[in-house]
Amino acid sequence: DAGVIQSPRHEVTEMGQEVTLRCKPISGHNSLFWYRQTMMRGLELLIYFNNNVPIDDSGMPEDRFSAKMPNASFSTLKIQPSEPRDSAVYFCASTRGQGDQPQHFGDGTRLSIL
Amino acid sequence: QQQVKQSPQSLIVQKGGISIINCAYENTAFDYFPWYQQFPGKGPALLIAIRPDVSEKKEGRFTISFNKSAKQFSLHIMDSQPGDSATYFCAARNIGNLIFGKGTKLSVKP
Repeated sequence: DAGVIQSPRHEVTEMGQEVTLRCKPISGHNSLFWYRQTMMRGLELLIYFNNNVPIDDSGMPEDRFSAKMPNASFSTLKIQPSEPRDSAVYFCASTRGQGDQPQHFGDGTRLSIL
Repeated sequence: QQQVKQSPQSLIVQKGGISIINCAYENTAFDYFPWYQQFPGKGPALLIAIRPDVSEKKEGRFTISFNKSAKQFSLHIMDSQPGDSATYFCAARNIGNLIFGKGTKLSVKP
């Protein structure tokens, strides 16, 4: 059973560029989460979807960030324009969303904005 | 109220020793308390979890102790091994969302 797949694993780009992070959740999971991890702030929830619908985006830092889930097997997190303070590791996680089912995390995208 | 406070930030333990990581919360609406383990370059993975109506849960060398009245819970790793060296996160769930502690970096010395 394949886990959560994120791409790219690493991204280095210049300030002002558009960045798109991708996530393929585990098949059959109906909830998907985007997190950002930094040393200073730890693991922060940015947004989560249930059945492809955004439920809570209160963690999205500002309008430069947007997330979509066009179908049950794909989600994107976009930053436009990117800034150096966006540098972090971004994780996607998915779960069946029932009872105490665990969130399964991908291995993350390490993003560096120069 | 939505915070989960975790301590210590880092911990060094000798092989065979007991590692203890503590977490505290304020929101009584939290209904599920998992611990996640993260190795460098990897995403966090569920280690063990507990519900607030249980005071202790043990899985192998890992035990969660839960004190509902004090709003505190802790992870105990018995017979710590070098392979346990990782970052550990406590978390609490509220309406489907997990709120994570800041993490504890554990190093187990051989």
